[in-house]
Amino acid sequence: AQKVTQAQTEISVVEKEDVTLDCVYETRDTTYYLFWYKQPPSGELVFLIRRNSFDEQNEISGRYSWNFQKSTSSFNFTITASQVVDSAVYFCALSEPFGGGYNKLIFGAGTRLAVHP
Amino acid sequence: EAQVTQNPRYLITVTGKKLTVTCSQNMNHEYMSWYRQDPGLGLRQIYYSMNVEVTDKGDVPEGYKVSRKEKRNFPLILESPSPNQTSLYFCASSLWGRDTQYFGPGTRLTVL
Repeated sequence: AQKVTQAQTEISVVEKEDVTLDCVYETRDTTYYLFWYKQPPSGELVFLIRRNSFDEQNEISGRYSWNFQKSTSSFNFTITASQVVDSAVYFCALSEPFGGGYNKLIFGAGTRLAVHP
Repeated sequence: EAQVTQNPRYLITVTGKKLTVTCSQNMNHEYMSWYRQDPGLGLRQIYYSMNVEVTDKGDVPEGYKVSRKEKRNFPLILESPSPNQTSLYFCASSLWGRDTQYFGPGTRLTVL
């Protein structure tokens, strides 16, 4: 069965520190997608990134970077020089493939990141 | 502006009183879905719809109903709400089944 584990429930850092959020997934499928979403205190879910299982290239977007390693079934998210505005709950998710256009996201439990001034 | 909207954003109700949470998207997306978010559990899928008149159960469908009469709308119906349905609900849509899902702002429901 598909599963996403975010072992870090809460992380607290001081501004400008680098922080890595871990995500480990389980799937028997060879084709799948991985996602990160951000949920700020206001509650909405903001899409950050999607990665397909055939693309292991790491990605960088400003202060955000993602490290995808199929060998360890991990898709970790690093924030460089964290800022107070990064304080949020971050969810990692796996898209469970199915026939006919079905699309279910399997979410991890989330990691709450608190960045203090 | 491309968006998914939900109404109401906040709702407090009592056990057994039927309610509907509306969801609408303006992106002409085929796929729509409902999730509930509970502490420590992340988000879990309730129902989904691949197109008009095509709906199916997700992981936690008990106590919920949906309909998809129009492409843009996907209401969530609780015919007899119970306290264990107190949760944060999200509607999501995507262009097609494997595409990125975009979420509405959420509806916080409290059932007393």
